[in-house]
Amino acid sequence: GDSVTQMEGPVTLSEEAFLTINCTYTATGYPSLFWYVQYPGEGLQLLLKATKADDKGSNKGFEATYRKETTSFHLEKGSVQVSDSAVYFCAMDSGNTGKLIFGQGTTLQVKP
Amino acid sequence: GAVVSQHPSRVICKSGTSVKIECRSLDFQATTMFWYRQFPKQSLMLMATSNEGSKATYEQGVEKDKFLINHASLTLSTLTVTSAHPEDSSFYICSARFSSGNPEFFGPGTRLTVL
Repeated sequence: GDSVTQMEGPVTLSEEAFLTINCTYTATGYPSLFWYVQYPGEGLQLLLKATKADDKGSNKGFEATYRKETTSFHLEKGSVQVSDSAVYFCAMDSGNTGKLIFGQGTTLQVKP
Repeated sequence: GAVVSQHPSRVICKSGTSVKIECRSLDFQATTMFWYRQFPKQSLMLMATSNEGSKATYEQGVEKDKFLINHASLTLSTLTVTSAHPEDSSFYICSARFSSGNPEFFGPGTRLTVL
């Protein structure tokens, strides 16, 4: 069935380091892909999205490219800040059901 | 961006009582709202999907008589946890979507603690 797999965390980086959080998906159709971020004690916020192959979503210095050939949607940021510390969820919108399928989440800790 | 609110943000109740959580889309009409449950350090578990004016569709294993969902209007959905028990303690998050194919916008969540 449809599923989303993220790299396990926590990911601990120093400020200004390069970030990559891997995400791969399994889908029978052509899903839309999303990254959501959850700050401590809060709900999820949409970070970026891509709706078709080769689309690049970007926001707040984060970006991810929809790679159909590798079924991936890796999240990257060139220089992380302490304020980026949060849990990041990769998700896809299963076209068949209209529901979001989430990865397990990856905790990012950025140290000064 | 689209804003979804939840009320209350935090609630503590005694075992056996019922708790109602509201979810509102503030600046758009949501044809569909979703209710999720999140356990500590885990991902979101979809509980049910509700469309305005119709009965909610519950995911497998979710008791519909325990978790009552009402989607009375295009901007409001409520989740009532009936006869709450300590094992119902969790973080409940709602989301709202304008239409299929559009992204979901999430509320800030409600922390429920059942004593």
